[in-house]
Amino acid sequence: SQQGEEDPQALSIQEGENATMNCSYKTSINNLQWYRQNSGRGLVHLILIRSNEREKHSGRLRVTLDTSKKSSSLLITASRAADTASYFCATAPSNDYKLSFGAGTTVTVRA
Amino acid sequence: DADVTQTPRNRITKTGKRIMLECSQTKGHDRMYWYRQDPGLGLRLIYYSFDVKDINKGEISDGYSVSRQAQAKFSLSLESAIPNQTALYFCATSDQLRNNEQFFGPGTRLTVL
Repeated sequence: SQQGEEDPQALSIQEGENATMNCSYKTSINNLQWYRQNSGRGLVHLILIRSNEREKHSGRLRVTLDTSKKSSSLLITASRAADTASYFCATAPSNDYKLSFGAGTTVTVRA
Repeated sequence: DADVTQTPRNRITKTGKRIMLECSQTKGHDRMYWYRQDPGLGLRLIYYSFDVKDINKGEISDGYSVSRQAQAKFSLSLESAIPNQTALYFCATSDQLRNNEQFFGPGTRLTVL
């Protein structure tokens, strides 16, 4: 079964707007990771946040983690057409080395 | 990621045929994984290996087998393919020293008729 669930399933925004997506998970984690997948291609790692961190930035990406609510959010600021992709959260449980992926959020950035 | 390659990239086969998907990596990682992706379901883990002599079942291993021939190679076999194994298959690698950040191959699109 999948540990993480992303919300919304799909998101359509205008170029230049911000995109926010959320991930909820069920069990204690070591870290939470976000990946991007362009249509039909392999996933690419974007950012990792550890369980003792609350916020992390990487370029136009901002990730937050609330372990009390078992949730994370990914914010993409000033979106570009090239940000059109599916975004997945993946959790690394505290007692396991394997990652568990959610079903993803499909983001479409309109020019 | 060009450091993780998968062959073939596309394959159409018939029910009952044996199929092997191959994965090679030049990243020097000890851990390798096979996932399948179906629309709306995200990625599901089929098998994983933390070392050459280590093979572990994932979430959906029934109907699949794997072989870790060397640290750099991890093959996935479908002994007798069935239509509901039609999916996109991904190989991934990771290094235990990097918080299990995974690096993915380009994927193999498999269609079983």
